[in-house]
Amino acid sequence: ETGVTQTPRHLVMGMTNKKSLKCEQHLGHNAMYWYKQSAKKPLELMFVYNFKEQTENNSVPSRFSPECPNSSHLFLHLHTLQPEDSALYLCASSQQRDTGELFFGEGSRLTVL
Amino acid sequence: AQSVTQPDIHITVSEGASLELRCNYSYGATPYLFWYVQSPGQGLQLLLKYFSGDTLVQGIKGFEAEFKRSQSSFNLRKPSVHWSDAAEYFCAVGPTSGTYKYIFGTGTRLKVLA
Repeated sequence: ETGVTQTPRHLVMGMTNKKSLKCEQHLGHNAMYWYKQSAKKPLELMFVYNFKEQTENNSVPSRFSPECPNSSHLFLHLHTLQPEDSALYLCASSQQRDTGELFFGEGSRLTVL
Repeated sequence: AQSVTQPDIHITVSEGASLELRCNYSYGATPYLFWYVQSPGQGLQLLLKYFSGDTLVQGIKGFEAEFKRSQSSFNLRKPSVHWSDAAEYFCAVGPTSGTYKYIFGTGTRLKVLA
C-alpha cells in the first residue's frame, strides 16, 4: 500500500478511443502530479495541481486532458492518442512544494494501438 | 538550468559486493536531493533524501548517500548488495523555489548476480 492508488494498471486503446486514468491519494497531500515514463527517457513531468489548481502544464498535447476535482483525486483523460503515447503514466503526490518528496503510485501502463 | 546526470546506464554486481551509483547535479543553490528505486512494473519508492545538515544520509534497505557540494555529487552506496536490490535507481533534484519541477536522472539499472 503506497498511499497513492492508480487505476487501471494496464490499458490498451485504439487511436480513436477515449479513456481515463485515475489517481487517488490517501496521504492528505496538497499537490498531485502526472509523469510520463517512456523507455530510455527521463521522467517527463506533464501536469501539477496544487489545492486543485493547475500550476504546471509542461507543454503537453491537448489530447491529454487532466482533471483534479479535489486534492485527493486526479484524472488524466485520453483521446485520439498516438502510438508514441504508449508509456507508463505515473501519478505522484507531495505535502509541500520545494522540500517535500514525491510519493508515487504504481503506474498505469498504456498501450496505444 | 537544473539537471541531473547518472553516468551509468547499467551496472552489474555480484551478490554480497558493495555498490556505488553515481549522480551529478547542476543547480544554482543548495539542492534538495533524492534517490528513488523502481522495481519492474512498479512505481518509484523513495530510498533517501537530503535537505540540509549532515552530508551522509541513511535510507531504507541499508542504502546511504553522501552529498558532496564541491563535486556536485550525491552518490548512492550500499556495503553488501542483495539479489532483491536488482531494480532501476533514479536520482532527482527538488524543484527550485516557486515551482514543482523535480528533475530526474535517466536512471541506472542494477543487475545482481547470484
